[in-house]
This record gives sequence, structure tokens and C-alpha cells, in this order.
Amino acid sequence: GQQLNQSPQSMFIQEGEDVSMNCTSSSIFNTWLWYKQDPGEGPVLLIALYKAGELTSNGRLTAQFGTTRKDSFLNISASIPSDVGIYFCAGQGSATNAGKSTFGDGTTLTVKP
Amino acid sequence: NAGVTQTPKFRVLKTGQSMTLLCAQDMNHEYMYWYRQDPGMGLRLIHYSVGEGTTAKGEVPDGYNVSRLKKQNFLLGLESAAPSQTSVYFCATQPWDTGELFFGEGSRLTVL
Repeated sequence: GQQLNQSPQSMFIQEGEDVSMNCTSSSIFNTWLWYKQDPGEGPVLLIALYKAGELTSNGRLTAQFGTTRKDSFLNISASIPSDVGIYFCAGQGSATNAGKSTFGDGTTLTVKP
Repeated sequence: NAGVTQTPKFRVLKTGQSMTLLCAQDMNHEYMYWYRQDPGMGLRLIHYSVGEGTTAKGEVPDGYNVSRLKKQNFLLGLESAAPSQTSVYFCATQPWDTGELFFGEGSRLTVL
């Protein structure tokens, strides 16, 4: 089946630093999504990408849909303590199917004040 | 609006017991999913439904059954719980026209 490799597995950074994480796949996806999970909660969508090469921002977050359609990147600028959590990438074959999103294993972010 | 509501939020079972997790949504979404989350393993799809009366197997369906008798509800059943089913279970919904998933808060299940 499809597999996503998400890296890094964990990050420990100082408040104010920038963060980068990525996902790669051996398969092509038509949609890439990035979610954040706070402790004790379900994941919440941060950014959705629907077109190869697309670069989308949401506040301090920027995500890109790789041109090969096999990867995606998420950057967080000027991190703050509330950025702490687990970040998941997810790929889907088609946005209008029951996409059966395939998830990466997550990047756990710790921000030191 | 409540969004996606899961009940119960916590449950402890003994090996061999059965139970049902309920997912209820008020967003009128067509698609519903059950995932399990284990440390370091991300979210793995158990079963899903593309509409009322339909269900299909996901990545890790063994030991689970599901039903979607009403559009707004998606039930996940464990007929004979095993310690390997100790996990956090998440229900999610998805509208037909986007890829976005809306998750419930999770149900933490421990099987002793």
C-alpha cells in the first residue's frame, strides 16, 4: 500500500526559531494535507494543497505541494510555545473520492520558551 | 454545532469483552472513517463509509466491525477485545467535495 515517510520524527527548538518538516512518498498524490494534533485532541487541518507546485500560507505556516506530486513541505516561522504538538502530513489520491487519506507517522514539535 | 462527537471517551475492557464506539456528526458529511492511533505509528484506517448503508475495509480491519445505518452515525464494534486493540480511536468525517477530514476528540480504549 501507499506509505508516507515523514521527517523529522521529533524536533526540539527554541522559541522564535523556524521549523521545517517534510513528507515523501513513492506514490503520486493529488492532494496533500497538513494537520496538527494537540495533546488529548483530534487532529485539525492546517493547510490543504490541491495542485502540484502550489505554495499556500496560513499565518506563520507555509506549505508546498512538490512538483513531482510525491512530496510536501511544511514550514513554521518564528515558533511560539503554542506550536507544540504533533504535525501530520496526509496524502490522498483524489480530493473527490473517499480519499482514504494516508498519514505520515507525525513530527512531534517541542518549543522551549 | 457539536461537529464530530465520539462516545465513550474512555473505556477499560477485559480480554474477550465486546463494546461499541459511537461516532455522531452534525455536518451532513457523506464520508466517515474510523482510525486508530498508536505511539509512533500515525493514524491507521480501520474501516470507512462513503454513505448511509455502505462500509468498506481500511488498512487494519481485523477484529473490528462497523455499521452506518444512519448518515449521521458510524459505529465501530469490537466483538472480542484483545490487548493489541488497546489504542486511541478517532472518528473523522469528510465532505464529498474536499479532502479535509474533521476529527472527533478520540476514544481511549484499554484492553487488559
